[in-house]
Amino acid sequence: DGGITQSPKYLFRKEGQNVTLSCEQNLNHDAMYWYRQDPGQGLRLIYYSQIVNDFQKGDIAEGYSVSREKKESFPLTVTSAQKNPTAFYLCASSMEPRNTGELFFGEGSRLTVL
Amino acid sequence: KNQVEQSPQSLIILEGKNCTLQCNYTVSPFSNLRWYKQDTGRGPVSLTIMTFSENTKSNGRYTATLDADTKQSSLHITASQLSDSASYICVVSAYSNYQLIWGAGTKLIIKP
Repeated sequence: DGGITQSPKYLFRKEGQNVTLSCEQNLNHDAMYWYRQDPGQGLRLIYYSQIVNDFQKGDIAEGYSVSREKKESFPLTVTSAQKNPTAFYLCASSMEPRNTGELFFGEGSRLTVL
Repeated sequence: KNQVEQSPQSLIILEGKNCTLQCNYTVSPFSNLRWYKQDTGRGPVSLTIMTFSENTKSNGRYTATLDADTKQSSLHITASQLSDSASYICVVSAYSNYQLIWGAGTKLIIKP
């Protein structure tokens, strides 16, 4: 089945560690996105990529990094510079640019800092 | 400032009843408005996307309305089912800069 796969579902990190969240899609979509979701708040955009080997910062990129070496993959690294990384992370993709096309989301990864 | 406000924050209704969720926005220039359903611990799933010219759009038991003049939208759920228990998120797209402005969502609980 076509879709977006995020892994791991749950992740625990000690302070000072970098962690990488995986996002893979087989929808043949050009655009991919990473969002962060905190309780009682709307989704916030971390990074997005419209095409392979290109990506742009979103609203809250500090402390995060991404790569887009393949069309299917858009991993997110949460670095030790991110001061409050505990959150629910959502990866999405779309065929058209994000303000016109439907977004398809993965099941999310919940990161907890110990 | 572009904002999306949803009400109520949470809602509890009995199975089989109808309900209406509200979304007010101040986004300009407006491109489209979307409603997503998010089950607890899962990713959001699109219910509807409405452009400026659309007043009403249905998806099964879900009916979204849009009043672009008053900048208000509503999501009406008919004959609610236990599986409707979820958060419902309103998202407004700004035409000029590809920005999506997300509401905080309404948490709906359906009781048997």
